[in-house]
Amino acid sequence: NAGVTQTPKFQVLKTGQSMTLQCAQDMNHNSMYWYRQDPGMGLRLIYYSASEGTTDKGEVPNGYNVSRLNKREFSLRLESAAPSQTSVYFCASSRFSGGLETQYFGPGTRLLVL
Amino acid sequence: TQLLEQSPQFLSIQEGENLTVYCNSSSVFSSLQWYRQEPGEGPVLLVTVVTGGEVKKLKRLTFQFGDARKDSSLHITAAQPGDTGLYLCAGARTNAGKSTFGDGTTLTVKP
Repeated sequence: NAGVTQTPKFQVLKTGQSMTLQCAQDMNHNSMYWYRQDPGMGLRLIYYSASEGTTDKGEVPNGYNVSRLNKREFSLRLESAAPSQTSVYFCASSRFSGGLETQYFGPGTRLLVL
Repeated sequence: TQLLEQSPQFLSIQEGENLTVYCNSSSVFSSLQWYRQEPGEGPVLLVTVVTGGEVKKLKRLTFQFGDARKDSSLHITAAQPGDTGLYLCAGARTNAGKSTFGDGTTLTVKP
């Protein structure tokens, strides 16, 4: 199993450009998440999807859109990138066992917006 | 509003020393998790605590959940350079999704 995979690993954008960050998991998990991580800060939730066909806003959704394409894939789109969106983006999927959730994270996408 | 406060923010120690890092909140959590993140990688779950007063041990790491389920600590005995990384705590209000992460403690263990 590859776990959670993210593409691309690195990306440089100019202000105003758009791009889509891809995430896929092969663990048959229902829930998937997108976080951003900035220097000196923890993970902040952008959007999450509790199951295929559903998405909900997290703590910092402005400037982003998401698509839960199927159970495996959850993409994050920046329609018009801004320098404030320079960050490291992590995708995660989770399983529930005994009432407890375990999240599995991808390796991250490092995005620089000039 | 930062629901989870982690301290210290940075910690640099020599190999063999002991250390404790803290995760505090004014909110009650149903469960709390600790993750370790190495440079260039995503966080990896270390432990989940769910019961007030619970203590869990993972080799040289000891995790404690406060009696009121508002705070937690991570104690490392005889730290090794391999323990270097960012330690994140995350609290869940219910046992289903949307965890809140602290800002993390960056630990450096020098050989």
